[in-house]
Amino acid sequence: QSVLTQPPSASGTPGQRVTISCSGSNSNIGTNTVNWYQQLPGTAPKLLIYTNIQRPSGVPDRFSGSKSGTSASLAISGLRSEDEADYYCAAWDDSLNGLVFGGGTKLTVL
Amino acid sequence: QVQLQQWGAGLLKPSETLSLTCAVYGGSFSGYYWSWIRQPPGKGLEWIGEINENGHTNYNPSLKSRAIISLDTSKIQFSLKLSSVTAADTAVYYCARSVDYYDSSGYYDFYFDYWGQGTLVTVSS
Repeated sequence: QSVLTQPPSASGTPGQRVTISCSGSNSNIGTNTVNWYQQLPGTAPKLLIYTNIQRPSGVPDRFSGSKSGTSASLAISGLRSEDEADYYCAAWDDSLNGLVFGGGTKLTVL
Repeated sequence: QVQLQQWGAGLLKPSETLSLTCAVYGGSFSGYYWSWIRQPPGKGLEWIGEINENGHTNYNPSLKSRAIISLDTSKIQFSLKLSSVTAADTAVYYCARSVDYYDSSGYYDFYFDYWGQGTLVTVSS
């Protein structure tokens, strides 16, 4: 069972907007920043969002992050077939003194 | 452009020691931590630990007793050893560059901006 809670699956049709939630606690999301990773099938994860809302160079602005209290969200607008992947949130946990990940959300583009 | 290339034994027997190495190309150790992360087949990600240029390490408390991360600054490489492996340690292991610091608001930011290609390590008798 993961410290950060994500829905196991999400789906949408091309062009739609999809959001993926990440729920934590005061010891992780409540006091530290959230980062998001995209993992395409058979590949290493890729940094998608860092410091809650920042996009690394090369990540389309269709991807956006937000954080409020002990929860965070990843939004993908203008959904495309190549967005079909697993998405993970992560944050440092002060109580566990380690980095924790969400269990991952498998996004399907219908 | 930073690139990480990793290698190591892919098949181990229970009780043996896992050993992986990651080489850093296009950058130096300075100013960053360097991490290991693993992913059991079909499951999520787990951070193992990290090391910086001065050899300072941080470990996931759940693996701290069995994991050792070291570095060779002359070769710009860092390594993971995980002792007494069991089937539960079967996973794809990734090396990655960590960026971690306290921001101006006091929040701790910790993320991985470059990743290795991954190495599948299977533990089986």
